[in-house]
Amino acid sequence: KQEVTQIPAALSVPEGENLVLNCSFTDSAIYNLQWFRQDPGKGLTSLLLIQSSQREQTSGRLNASLDKSSGRSTLYIAASQPGDSATYLCARRSKAAGNKLTFGGGTRVLVKP
Amino acid sequence: DTGVSQNPRHKITKRGQNVTFRCDPISEHNRLYWYRQTLGQGPEFLTYFQNEAQLEKSRLLSDRFSAERPKGSFSTLEIQRTEQGDSAMYLCASSYSGTSSYEQYFGPGTRLTVT
Repeated sequence: KQEVTQIPAALSVPEGENLVLNCSFTDSAIYNLQWFRQDPGKGLTSLLLIQSSQREQTSGRLNASLDKSSGRSTLYIAASQPGDSATYLCARRSKAAGNKLTFGGGTRVLVKP
Repeated sequence: DTGVSQNPRHKITKRGQNVTFRCDPISEHNRLYWYRQTLGQGPEFLTYFQNEAQLEKSRLLSDRFSAERPKGSFSTLEIQRTEQGDSAMYLCASSYSGTSSYEQYFGPGTRLTVT
């Protein structure tokens, strides 16, 4: 079964600390991996997309890495701010699974001022 | 606003009633996806269109669910004889097959509550 797992399910950090969010997947034949942010009751905002040929992507304070051999992706958020409080979801597009995204359960982040 | 839009944003219905949701994708996007998200979980894939053709359906899409994209633009998702287990956020996404990334952009969702 092709699965995507995000651990921990919830994370609380003081403002200014760096955030490290983990995503693991069982199918190494991925096409790409996308990280999303979701605020309560809202839709998903795409943060970063990493193609299978890439090892990392950066946007501002965000950096996402991809290690296909170990089936892992990590999202780093530098110098966290209270506005970073949200749920972060990773989703894999697999070469074998057509065009759908398979999502992890998300990590709920709280950045305390 | 040129993003993905969904209507209505919230729907409360009684069990057994039919409901229909609409999704308007980003205008140049030819692929459209529906996902369902229950509280505390990640979204789950329901179905996918390329232009007007429905190319993939999840087994989650029971025969009470039907989706259409009649002219390859907006899409509708209908649920017949709603059940309490249908209560969820229904998310629509679109992408363009002319790029190598097929990056999906999501709408704000329609939250369905079945009482």
